Amino acid sequence: GQNIDQPTEMTATEGAIVQINCTYQTSGFNGLFWYQQHAGEAPTFLSYNVLDGLEEKGRFSSFLSRSKGYSYLLLKELQMKDSASYLCAVRDSNYQLIWGAGTKLIIKP
Amino acid sequence: ETGVTQTPRHLVMGMTNKKSLKCEQHLGHNAMYWYKQSAKKPLELMFVYSLEERVENNSVPSRFSPECPNSSHLFLHLHTLQPEDSALYLCASSLGTGEAYEQYFGPGTRLTVT
Repeated sequence: GQNIDQPTEMTATEGAIVQINCTYQTSGFNGLFWYQQHAGEAPTFLSYNVLDGLEEKGRFSSFLSRSKGYSYLLLKELQMKDSASYLCAVRDSNYQLIWGAGTKLIIKP
Repeated sequence: ETGVTQTPRHLVMGMTNKKSLKCEQHLGHNAMYWYKQSAKKPLELMFVYSLEERVENNSVPSRFSPECPNSSHLFLHLHTLQPEDSALYLCASSLGTGEAYEQYFGPGTRLTVT
């Protein structure tokens, strides 16, 4: 079967750095997405990786290793507004998106 | 504001009721999706429409019936639902269904079946 694993919950301190990991086992690979979802709101797109390496976008970076079936989302200079769930999703060989259950990130002052 | 709107935002219905969820996208996208989101579970893809044609139906019970009258509107018709159908129902759209197209989500309809 196809599977995406992410930690259920993480806690970090305002101003610090946090890394949210995602491992996947899917039938084929056609890209990996990260989304942010604040409580009661719509998921919003953060990043897309299809080649190995690091993609940087301001305070957020996303890394991919296809050989290891592994990605992480790195958040720097954490702010209280970064408290949210972070969803990892992989597009498989049929171009279907397989979603993880999300990681709830709690930021403490 | 993502350009995708959903109504109603909250819905409580009995198991014998019939109701419909509405989604509208103002982004000029060609693909639209219905997802079910339950607490602590991955998003479950229910239906995909591309250019108003249904391209995917992931073994969804027949008590859920989608309708896509044009590329901007998507409906989910509900009838004789079960309590386990209580969840957040998210609509999304994308430019296409190919690999690099990110999906834009609406705020969801919180459905409670009593």
